Amino acid sequence: GAVVSQHPSWVICKSGTSVKIECRSLDFQATTMFWYRQFPKQSLMLMATSNEGSKATYEQGVEKDKFLINHASLTLSTLTVTSAHPEDSSFYICSARDLRGDYGYTFGSGTRLTVV
Amino acid sequence: KQEVTQIPAALSVPEGENLVLNCSFTDSAIYNLQWFRQDPGKGLTSLLLIQSSQREQTSGRLNASLDKSSGRSTLYIAASQPGDSATYLCAVPGGAGTALIFGKGTTLSVSS
Repeated sequence: GAVVSQHPSWVICKSGTSVKIECRSLDFQATTMFWYRQFPKQSLMLMATSNEGSKATYEQGVEKDKFLINHASLTLSTLTVTSAHPEDSSFYICSARDLRGDYGYTFGSGTRLTVV
Repeated sequence: KQEVTQIPAALSVPEGENLVLNCSFTDSAIYNLQWFRQDPGKGLTSLLLIQSSQREQTSGRLNASLDKSSGRSTLYIAASQPGDSATYLCAVPGGAGTALIFGKGTTLSVSS
């Protein structure tokens, strides 16, 4: 099956600092990865679509300068939360789709970010 | 614009019951449909993937059906167990290779 590894699982950072979250497809190549945000007891909210070798496409209302996305290879995408503030505290999840679509969409285990 | 709806929003059943979760979508031109499970504070686990050409998929006690023409899918869970307690999400791609569009989920609680 297809596996997506997401790290870290949880992180606590001070307000004003930056945090990087990694998402790796372990056994398949993913030209496209997706980043979501989820608030408690709410649905997943798509933040951006990450394409290998090109700029990410951000959803309306998502600050591209705050949430920097890099997809430098077919197996790695990163989300950097810059100058984090308490309101950025949330659960962030990445997803990838294998090229042939045999396994549908695979999700990482998520990252719980707490900004203090 | 594709919209996905799940009914019921929440369900509580005693252990051993068979149950059905419902999912409907407005645009029948889907590539596939996927059912996920999410435990509190965790990521999503894929349960079943049904391609557009398929009518159903089975995995253990889970069976998912797909009726594209009517825009519906059901997830059948047989002999429910407390470990099945979680939120179940139904999702379809917004388009070729685009992000999934999710329903709001059904939160299932199975009591022992």
